[in-house]
Amino acid sequence: KAGVTQTPRYLIKTRGQQVTLSCSPISGHRSVSWYQQTPGQGLQFLFEYFSETQRNKGNFPGRFSGRQFSNSRSEMNVSTLELGDSALYLCAGRQGPSTGELFFGEGSRLTVL
Amino acid sequence: AQSVAQPEDQVNVAEGNPLTVKCTYSVSGNPYLFWYVQYPNRGLQFLLKYITGDNLVKGSYGFEAEFNKSQTSFHLKKPSALVSDSALYFCAVRDGSGLPWGSGGGADGLTFGKGTHLIIQP
Repeated sequence: KAGVTQTPRYLIKTRGQQVTLSCSPISGHRSVSWYQQTPGQGLQFLFEYFSETQRNKGNFPGRFSGRQFSNSRSEMNVSTLELGDSALYLCAGRQGPSTGELFFGEGSRLTVL
Repeated sequence: AQSVAQPEDQVNVAEGNPLTVKCTYSVSGNPYLFWYVQYPNRGLQFLLKYITGDNLVKGSYGFEAEFNKSQTSFHLKKPSALVSDSALYFCAVRDGSGLPWGSGGGADGLTFGKGTHLIIQP
């Protein structure tokens, strides 16, 4: 079956712009989480969605937002981009309860100039 | 709050030798523990998990991990390393004592360690 699809894979933006990233989880995986990965901070949890509702949220400013659609696809948006937002943004799907493992996409690498 | 520590930024092992990647954790309730591997420019791949039961967990690619509750550790091991095992390894923990999944409560997702670069030398 198809894996987790993230688009775009690479993008370059300038400070002050906004960006939208997309994630399509594996079919049947209803929970979608987003993580930010940077060399300095490692992997940091952004938010988790299930059934179009945000279930958990990490410690990020309000510039970071997300949503989930009825087909489980998810988008995250970052407004008023800052240089420090340059990172690999990873999306992960989960099929069931919290005992289940995450299935990650290959990420969207954002560079902010 | 939950946390994970991977004390080594890098581990170097000769091919064919056993390898260990260390992980210690802290949670207030029962730990759900995971290991993931990341190859360059790729997402993370699941290796194995401990939820309950036998303390020795076997996973993908010949890896295993031992849960030690008294030492709050979950070290990743492999009896004989391959060059292709060279990658970035992450340990992660979730507090399993949170509210039922999907209720909006519980721990804030998985907490990952900083990662350990495993380098297998030919």
